[in-house]
Amino acid sequence: AQSVAQPEDQVNVAEGNPLTVKCTYSVSGNPYLFWYVQYPNRGLQFLLKYITGDNLVKGSYGFEAEFNKSQTSFHLKKPSALVSDSALYFCAVTGDSNYQLIWGAGTKLIIKP
Amino acid sequence: EPEVTQTPSHQVTQMGQEVILRCVPISNHLYFYWYRQILGQKVEFLVSFYNNEISEKSEIFDDQFSVERPDGSNFTLKIRSTKLEDSAMYFCASSPSRQITQPQHFGDGTRLSIL
Repeated sequence: AQSVAQPEDQVNVAEGNPLTVKCTYSVSGNPYLFWYVQYPNRGLQFLLKYITGDNLVKGSYGFEAEFNKSQTSFHLKKPSALVSDSALYFCAVTGDSNYQLIWGAGTKLIIKP
Repeated sequence: EPEVTQTPSHQVTQMGQEVILRCVPISNHLYFYWYRQILGQKVEFLVSFYNNEISEKSEIFDDQFSVERPDGSNFTLKIRSTKLEDSAMYFCASSPSRQITQPQHFGDGTRLSIL
């Protein structure tokens, strides 16, 4: 069965420091991986995706994510955090057997000035 | 940038009543989805819809639920005889194709509260 794990409920980072939000997955076949961000009272905004190709994927707002097949991980990163990055971040995966997105539980990212 | 719009933003309904949640997908998109997020829990897939038919549905999407595209622009989720546990945020999404390279675009959601 497909699954996604986001092991941290919350990540606290000082503004200007690098941030990492962790995601691991389990899927049969090739994984297709996504990161979405949710601001308060808003929907889910697409940040970036890994389909194939380079393991380092760049997305919106300076975020990037690294696909690691051996560790089945797709951690979200940003070199220098902004207070405005504070939000809820969701990792999602689907396999090539269907197109249902399976979601992680979400990680609350708090960036402190 | 075109957006998926959902109405209402908040719906309060008595248990046992029917509720219809409305979505206007992005105009040139062909695939439509409903997800729900119970407070404090994961986002869960409910159903996908293409060419006026359900493409896939989850175990959650039982006979209580139905979807429809009544007029070529709106995409609705109907919940018959609502239960307390139907209280959640319901998100509509659309994508231009079923290719996984095309990400799904989400609306801001409808918060459904069942009393």
